[in-house]
Amino acid sequence: DAGVTQSPTHLIKTRGQQVTLRCSPKSGHDTVSWYQQALGQGPQFIFQYYEEEERQRGNFPDRFSGHQFPNYSSELNVNALLLGDSALYLCASSLGTSGSADTQYFGPGTRLTVL
Amino acid sequence: AQSVAQPEDQVNVAEGNPLTVKCTYSVSGNPYLFWYVQYPNRGLQFLLKYITGDNLVKGSYGFEAEFNKSQTSFHLKKPSALVSDSALYFCAVRDRPPENYGQNFVFGPGTRLSVLP
Repeated sequence: DAGVTQSPTHLIKTRGQQVTLRCSPKSGHDTVSWYQQALGQGPQFIFQYYEEEERQRGNFPDRFSGHQFPNYSSELNVNALLLGDSALYLCASSLGTSGSADTQYFGPGTRLTVL
Repeated sequence: AQSVAQPEDQVNVAEGNPLTVKCTYSVSGNPYLFWYVQYPNRGLQFLLKYITGDNLVKGSYGFEAEFNKSQTSFHLKKPSALVSDSALYFCAVRDRPPENYGQNFVFGPGTRLSVLP
């Protein structure tokens, strides 16, 4: 049973560039959430996708956007990169049942460095 | 708004001794509470969760957590610590708004546990 996978593992970009991160959810899961984890901090919720729509969004600017595909995989796009976007980006998958307490399972993350 | 506090940045314990990692929370309704562990350069691994029922929750790797509604706490415990338990531990909370798809988790800042041989 494959867990959550993310690609790439590491990425180095320069300020102003754009980046796309990818996530495949755990088998059987249909909801994908993205988190940003800055060094020494807890993960911060970016947004969540279910049925190919953004369902919830955290306090992140519009430079952060995403997409979910029919096979439930997801992409996170960040435009006009800033130095402060350097972080570990975590993808988590779960079953998107309304009102449930389904556990989120996390991927290994993508380490983004912005120079 | 939901919030989670982990009052200790660092917890040191000797191998074989019991360990406790503290967590307090604030939510508007009844909480769902979670503990995750993160090893260096890795994603988060699920340890345990409290939804309802027994206040003592047992999880992976011998960990357990005690839910205390009056103190709004959800402390992580283990009777006998191992050196391999050394890692970063995160407490997370999710509120239960109705008709809300998925899980908008709010994480605490993390507590670094060091188990000394």
